[in-house]
Amino acid sequence: DAGVIQSPRHEVTEMGQEVTLRCKPISGHDYLFWYRQTMMRGLELLIYFNNNVPIDDSGMPEDRFSAKMPNASFSTLKIQPSEPRDSAVYFCASSFGQGNGYTFGSGTRLTVV
Amino acid sequence: QKEVEQNSGPLSVPEGAIASLNCTYSDRVSQSFFWYRQYSGKSPELIMSIYSNGDKEDGRFTAQLNKASQYVSLLIRDSQPSDSATYLCAVLLSSGGSYIPTFGRGTSLIVHP
Repeated sequence: DAGVIQSPRHEVTEMGQEVTLRCKPISGHDYLFWYRQTMMRGLELLIYFNNNVPIDDSGMPEDRFSAKMPNASFSTLKIQPSEPRDSAVYFCASSFGQGNGYTFGSGTRLTVV
Repeated sequence: QKEVEQNSGPLSVPEGAIASLNCTYSDRVSQSFFWYRQYSGKSPELIMSIYSNGDKEDGRFTAQLNKASQYVSLLIRDSQPSDSATYLCAVLLSSGGSYIPTFGRGTSLIVHP
C-alpha cells in the first residue's frame, strides 16, 4: 500500500487566495483525520470523518475552513480566503477503527504571504 | 479543558542509556493511548499503542499505562542516536458522545554518542 497520500507537498499562496489541500487515505480505512501543526500550538485536530461522514469539526478554526469527503478514497480541506496565520503544516491521517493508531501522510507545508 | 500534557524537553541521554518519556491526560474515561515518533521535517509515525493498565513491550520500547493516575509513559532501552526525535503522546479523549484523538505537544529526545 502506498500509504496516505497528500498533495501538494508545499504550497505558497498570497493572502486572500483559496487553497485546497488533498488527501487519499489508505484503502479500507474508515476514519480520516485532518490535523494542523505549528510550533506554537503543536498538533491540532481540525476535523475527522467516519465512513465519509464528518463526526467532529469543532477544531475547524473558523468559517474560512471547510472539509469534504465525497468518497472513501478522497478528502479535501479548503481555506478561503487564506490568511498569513494559516501558515502551518497540514497533515491528513487515516485509520481502521478509531481505537487503532493512525497513519499520517507526508503533510502539506502551507505558507501564506 | 481536556488535554494531554508532556514535558517539552529536550531530554538528553547518552547512547546506551534508558530514555523515559512521560505523559498525563485529563480524561478518566480514555481508553486508547498511543506514542508517535516524529523526526524533524517528517510526519508522525506510530510506534506503540496501549489499552490496559500495565506494561507493553515491543523490542527496545516499553509503554506503561496507569489509568488511576492518568499517566502513560514510554521507555526506550539502549537508546541510539537514531532515536533522537520528538515523541508525541496521543489519547482518545471523550467529548460529547464521541472520542477526540488528542496529541500532547511532544517531548524532544536527544541521544548523544
